[in-house]
Amino acid sequence: NAGVTQTPKFQVLKTGQSMTLQCAQDMNHNSMYWYRQDPGMGLRLIYYSASEGTTDKGEVPNGYNVSRLNKREFSLRLESAAPSQTSVYFCASSEAGGGARLYEQYFGPGTRLTVT
Amino acid sequence: TQLLEQSPQFLSIQEGENLTVYCNSSSVFSSLQWYRQEPGEGPVLLVTVVTGGEVKKLKRLTFQFGDARKDSSLHITAAQPGDTGLYLCAGDEYGNKLVFGAGTILRVKS
Repeated sequence: NAGVTQTPKFQVLKTGQSMTLQCAQDMNHNSMYWYRQDPGMGLRLIYYSASEGTTDKGEVPNGYNVSRLNKREFSLRLESAAPSQTSVYFCASSEAGGGARLYEQYFGPGTRLTVT
Repeated sequence: TQLLEQSPQFLSIQEGENLTVYCNSSSVFSSLQWYRQEPGEGPVLLVTVVTGGEVKKLKRLTFQFGDARKDSSLHITAAQPGDTGLYLCAGDEYGNKLVFGAGTILRVKS
């Protein structure tokens, strides 16, 4: 099993450009998440999806959109990138949902995004 | 959103020393997890604690969940250079989401 995969690994954008970060998991998990990680601020939740067909805002959703394409895939879109969105983005999945009690999360390797 | 405060933010010690990292909140969590992250990689789960007062050991790492389920600690005995990394605590908000602390950067020098 590959676990959680993310593409691309690195990306440089100019202000105003758009892009989509892709994430896929092969663990048959119900829930998927997008986080951003900035120095000294830990991981902050952008959006999450508790099940196929549902999405909810997290702590820092402004400037982002998401799509839960199917149970395996969860994408994050930046419509008009800004320098403040320079960060490392992590996708994660967990068994949460369907009665699962413990929400351990499994993370992808991250996408390092720079917006100039 | 519940907040998790981690301390210290940064720790630099010599190989063989002991250390403790703390994770505190004013709110109650149904469970708390500890993750370790190495540079350029995603966090990896170390342990989950569920019951108030619970103690779990993972080789030289000891994790404790406070009696009131508001705080946790990670103790490393005889630290080694391979323990170097970012340690993150995360609390389960009785839902589908985790709240993460800001992390503790540990550097163990040989």
